[in-house]
Amino acid sequence: ETGVTQTPRHLVMGMTNKKSLKCEQHLGHNAMYWYKQSAKKPLELMFVYSLEERVENNSVPSRFSPECPNSSHLFLHLHTLQPEDSALYLCASSQGAGGPYEQYFGPGTRLTVT
Amino acid sequence: GENVEQHPSTLSVQEGDSAVIKCTYSDSASNYFPWYKQELGKGPQLIIDIRSNVGEKKDQRIAVTLNKTAKHFSLHITETQPEDSAVYFCALNEGGGNKLTFGTGTQLKVEL
Repeated sequence: ETGVTQTPRHLVMGMTNKKSLKCEQHLGHNAMYWYKQSAKKPLELMFVYSLEERVENNSVPSRFSPECPNSSHLFLHLHTLQPEDSALYLCASSQGAGGPYEQYFGPGTRLTVT
Repeated sequence: GENVEQHPSTLSVQEGDSAVIKCTYSDSASNYFPWYKQELGKGPQLIIDIRSNVGEKKDQRIAVTLNKTAKHFSLHITETQPEDSAVYFCALNEGGGNKLTFGTGTQLKVEL
């Protein structure tokens, strides 16, 4: 176990639904990340939070809305998604965001948009 | 953004043989090069990393080499075992910061 947990592990949602992904890290880190992993493509960085402040938004559509209430928790709120948003969503954490620091990943949430 | 090329995309070896995966890049400011292993149904696991002030790092059966002049780095796994079968990703930090750019992955299969 890496010390980063994600729930749910699997999620199926329709295009009109609203759902949230949750990530929690138990490593005492100050930075957290959301990545998208699609088949045959490299991991894509979506968002970076450092000390609960968003420091990176990698041109992600507004239907993805992150939230970081404290340094241990990270959420990704989803609404009106498209089928092409189906992917594995990975959360990671690191000691800080100034880097470079080792990033530790959670197991991911497998999202299917129908 | 930075582009990282990873080869091969698939690699099949016999148990006990060595496996080598190579990544090339273009950003001369990159100074941190981690390797991740991802097993089916799991997230990527950091297995080894190297920083630009060294050319080689070893951890038991795993080693990473870095050639900053030629802008490539490689993962070497010796005495491969079936449990080494997984997808391996190289990565580097864009512009020397904390933002990681990943390769496309190598599916390693270790056959008995």
